[in-house]
Amino acid sequence: EAGVAQSPRYKIIEKRQSVAFWCNPISGHATLYWYQQILGQGPKLLIQFQNNGVVDDSQLPKDRFSAERLKGVDSTLKIQPAKLEDSAVYLCASSYGLRAGGRRYNEQFFGPGTRLTVL
Amino acid sequence: RKEVEQDPGPFNVPEGATVAFNCTYSNSASQSFFWYRQDCRKEPKLLMSVYSSGNEDGRFTAQLNRASQYISLLIRDSKLSDSATYLCVVNLDSSYKLIFGSGTRLLVRP
Repeated sequence: EAGVAQSPRYKIIEKRQSVAFWCNPISGHATLYWYQQILGQGPKLLIQFQNNGVVDDSQLPKDRFSAERLKGVDSTLKIQPAKLEDSAVYLCASSYGLRAGGRRYNEQFFGPGTRLTVL
Repeated sequence: RKEVEQDPGPFNVPEGATVAFNCTYSNSASQSFFWYRQDCRKEPKLLMSVYSSGNEDGRFTAQLNRASQYISLLIRDSKLSDSATYLCVVNLDSSYKLIFGSGTRLLVRP
C-alpha cells in the first residue's frame, strides 16, 4: 500500500515570498490533516479535512495560510506571504475517517513532510 | 500550561536497560491516548495506543492513570534501534484531533 506522498521535500524561500505544498493521501482515506512541526516541538494541527470539507481550522493563521482539498483527495497548503517563524516541517497525514469507528480505523499515517526554510 | 507535557530528555541509556517516559495532559475530558515514535528527520509513526487497563506490546508497556492525567511508556531491554523521539499524544474528542507533546528523546548506546 502506497503511503502519504508530499512534495516538495525541501523548500527555501525568502520572507514575504509565497510557497505551496502538495499532499496525496493514502487511497480511500477520507480524512486529511496538515500539521506544522517546529524544531524541538511536536506536530501542531493546522487544518483537518473530512473529504473536501473543513472539520477544524482553528489553529490555521488565516491571514497568511490557506488550504484546500477540492476533490476530496489531494490537498494543497499555501503560505502567502511567508514569515521567518514559518520555518518548520509541514506534515500531511491521512486516516480512514471519522465514521469508520474504532480507534484503529482512525490511525493517522504521516507523509515524509516538507522542510521549509524562510530566510 | 501546555496541553501535553513531556520531559524532553535526552535519556541516554545502555543497551539492555529499562527506561520509562512520563507524560501529563491538562484536559480531563481527553478520550484516547497514544505513543508515537519519530526518528530523526522522519515522520511520526504510531507506536501503540494506551488503554486504561494498561497494555503491552513486546518490550513496550503503556499505562494510563486518568485520575492523575498521567501516561507512561516503559521500554525493557533497550535496543540501539529504539533511539528516537517518543511523542505522547492525546485525542480530545470524536473529531480525532490529536494533540502532541514535544517529545522525549531516547539515545541507546552500545
